[in-house]
Amino acid sequence: AQSVAQPEDQVNVAEGNPLTVKCTYSVSGNPYLFWYVQYPNRGLQFLLKYITGDNLVKGSYGFEAEFNKSQTSFHLKKPSALVSDSALYFCAVRDLNYGQNFVFGPGTRLSVLP
Amino acid sequence: GAVVSQHPSRVICKSGTSVKIECRSLDFQATTMFWYRQFPKQSLMLMATSNEGSKATYEQGVEKDKFLINHASLTLSTLTVTSAHPEDSSFYICSARGTEYNQPQHFGDGTRLSIL
Repeated sequence: AQSVAQPEDQVNVAEGNPLTVKCTYSVSGNPYLFWYVQYPNRGLQFLLKYITGDNLVKGSYGFEAEFNKSQTSFHLKKPSALVSDSALYFCAVRDLNYGQNFVFGPGTRLSVLP
Repeated sequence: GAVVSQHPSRVICKSGTSVKIECRSLDFQATTMFWYRQFPKQSLMLMATSNEGSKATYEQGVEKDKFLINHASLTLSTLTVTSAHPEDSSFYICSARGTEYNQPQHFGDGTRLSIL
């Protein structure tokens, strides 16, 4: 079965510092990996995805993520955090062996402090 | 591109009434739509998956007679919460995916349902 773990409920970082939000996954086949961000009382916004190709994926708002097959990780990163990046972040995986649904991680709340 | 509109954004109604939530893909054809429920400070819980023109596939534990899903066209899916009770109060989010298999889901802004 497919699963996604986000080991940190909360990540705090000072504005201007680099940020990392961690994600590890478990699938039986090749994974499609995604990151989404959710602002209060809003739906999820797509940030980036990894399907195949370069392990470093660049996405919206300056975010990037690195796919690491040996560590089954897909950590989200940004070189310089903004206060406006404060939100809830979800990692998701899709395993083609299990159909069309995504499995979402539990979410990580990012707080960027001014 | 890839905009999903969900309406209404907020509903407050009395116990026993039925509530319909609409989810529309505005600029792409959504062959598959998903309905999620999100409890406070928790992740999304998939309720059902619907393909255009087919019956929805419900996740285990989700009552199909309680949560009626219709996906009659490639741009519209509806979720009707029938005879709603206070325990149905939640944040409901829809998402849609186009025909390309490796594309992300695109989400609506959610509906905050409060049953009094």
